[in-house]
Amino acid sequence: GAGVSQSPSNKVTEKGKDVELRCDPISGHTALYWYRQSLGQGLEFLIYFQGNSAPDKSGLPSDRFSAERTGGSVSTLTIQRTQQEDSAVYLCASSLLASPYNEQFFGPGTRLTVL
Amino acid sequence: AQSVTQLDSQVPVFEEAPVELRCNYSSSVSVYLFWYVQYPNQGLQLLLKYLSGSTLVESINGFEAEFNKSQTSFHLRKPSVHISDTAEYFCAVSDQGAQKLVFGQGTRLTINP
Repeated sequence: GAGVSQSPSNKVTEKGKDVELRCDPISGHTALYWYRQSLGQGLEFLIYFQGNSAPDKSGLPSDRFSAERTGGSVSTLTIQRTQQEDSAVYLCASSLLASPYNEQFFGPGTRLTVL
Repeated sequence: AQSVTQLDSQVPVFEEAPVELRCNYSSSVSVYLFWYVQYPNQGLQLLLKYLSGSTLVESINGFEAEFNKSQTSFHLRKPSVHISDTAEYFCAVSDQGAQKLVFGQGTRLTINP
């Protein structure tokens, strides 16, 4: 079956612009996670959704970052007024339920470059 | 807050040699531990996990890891590596009640023929 998909695969933007990153989870997975992988910080948790609600937003680095999930499926991560330090690979993962007993399946990521 | 330390950023080994990738986590009452692997130009994949029960867990491709509560470690081992094991390996932890994964910095395993 289809895995987690993310779009775009690459995004180059200018400092100060807004960007939207999209994640399509595996069908039937109720939990969805966003992580960021950067050279200086490694892999960091950003936010997770159970259904359409986000019980844990603790990893969002600033109020320029937001995410939503509609219909319990697709999620969008929005970064406003991008900064060079936002450059990273943004990873999305989904699992059947939000539980350590359910494996998180990762997408290929979106590589964001802020010039 | 939970944290994970992978002591080696890079580990070079010869093919068919044994390898150990080290992982330590900060202490917590109950933790769940994971090793993920990222092969070149591929996404993250779960290699193995410890949730409860036997402290020694194994993957289908010959890796194993042992949960050591007293040393707060979850080191990954393989008795004989292959070229195909070349990848970056990430140790991760999840607290009971917390759904997010906290990752270590990763260890790049390179296999020399």
